[in-house]
Amino acid sequence: SQTIHQWPATLVQPVGSPLSLECTVEGTSNPNLYWYRQAAGRGLQLLFYSVGIGQISSEVPQNLSASRPQDRQFILSSKKLLLSDSGFYLCASSPHRDTEAFFGQGTRLTVV
Amino acid sequence: SQQGEEDPQALSIQEGENATMNCSYKTSINNLQWYRQNSGRGLVHLILIRSNEREKHSGRLRVTLDTSKKSSSLLITASRAADTASYFCATDASSSGYALNFGKGTSLLVTP
Repeated sequence: SQTIHQWPATLVQPVGSPLSLECTVEGTSNPNLYWYRQAAGRGLQLLFYSVGIGQISSEVPQNLSASRPQDRQFILSSKKLLLSDSGFYLCASSPHRDTEAFFGQGTRLTVV
Repeated sequence: SQQGEEDPQALSIQEGENATMNCSYKTSINNLQWYRQNSGRGLVHLILIRSNEREKHSGRLRVTLDTSKKSSSLLITASRAADTASYFCATDASSSGYALNFGKGTSLLVTP
């Protein structure tokens, strides 16, 4: 099975500051990678997905961007955070379609 | 986009009782998955049922799928306090790198 490393676990950032959340995957190669955001008491909203190095697709327009510089590394970034960027961010990986997804432990981001 | 919708939103039962959660979705699927999330943590995969399957078991979990009604149910038998968590159904979306679309979840509380 895969292991998803995601850090930091919690983060408090001021409005207008930059953001970089990193996710690395162990135990597989060439996985599909995903960034989700979860608002309090809500389901998961898909933000970005990647099917390969340098291939990023965005699901919703927003203040965030994603990059995949290496096969098993997925980064979520922002140049200037907004209050509305607060939330619980989850990185996920799946080896291919029709299989389960593996999730990291998430990053709780609070923008103040 | 969120396709799965769980029902009920919240469920409170006593240890030993069975817990049933339902999920409805809108479009055709390849598979449907159920996940569990402990408070403030990542999601953990419970069970995957393919569109050509009607029922699947895993330990104390039983999942059914009715593609004609576009619905699924998760039954947890003989519940334990440790089953307290949020439960999500998820369906795959071929347009998003087969990312999973999650519902808002059912919050289950099992009291001793």
